[in-house]
Amino acid sequence: DAGVIQSPRHEVTEMGQEVTLRCKPISGHNSLFWYRQTMMRGLELLIYFNNNVPIDDSGMPEDRFSAKMPNASFSTLKIQPSEPRDSAVYFCASSLGAAGGETQYFGPGTRLLVL
Amino acid sequence: EDQVTQSPEALRLQEGESSSLNCSYTVSGLRGLFWYRQDPGKGPEFLFTLYSAGEEKEKERLKATLTKKESFLHITAPKPEDSATYLCAVLLVRGYQKVTFGTGTKLQVIP
Repeated sequence: DAGVIQSPRHEVTEMGQEVTLRCKPISGHNSLFWYRQTMMRGLELLIYFNNNVPIDDSGMPEDRFSAKMPNASFSTLKIQPSEPRDSAVYFCASSLGAAGGETQYFGPGTRLLVL
Repeated sequence: EDQVTQSPEALRLQEGESSSLNCSYTVSGLRGLFWYRQDPGKGPEFLFTLYSAGEEKEKERLKATLTKKESFLHITAPKPEDSATYLCAVLLVRGYQKVTFGTGTKLQVIP
């Protein structure tokens, strides 16, 4: 199994630009999570999907962030417009079954730097 | 407010020097606790799940234990390859089963 796939691995952009992060979960997993990791705040849950439906988006910082899951094998996290404080590592994780009760498998992350 | 606190923030050990990492939590509706390992530049990797006080899990040099207020990750005779950041996460019931992570303990094992 290829594991969770994320792209790009690194992204450098300028403030105000749109950023799109992509994730392909493990085949057969029906829960998908987007996290943000910073030194100050650690690993924070941004949004959780179950069977392609957003269940909990309370961690999405503000309206500049949006996430979609059009099918079981693809999800995007978009930031528009981006700001320097969005600089962080963004992880996608997937699990088999509903919600956090199952082990989550993480992708390698996307390191985002907003100048 | 749910709180998950890990200590120490960083730990430096000599190879073979056993120690413990702590994860304490102030939450309601705890359903379980996870331990993950994270290597630099990589995503967290699952180690253990603990569901009830008194439960223990072991894997090689690592043993995780759980009480009603905290969990310990014991590292026996560590090796340099055990160097990583160790994250704990609590599994809570918040309409669904939500996972909340601590900020981690960065472990360095010196040869």
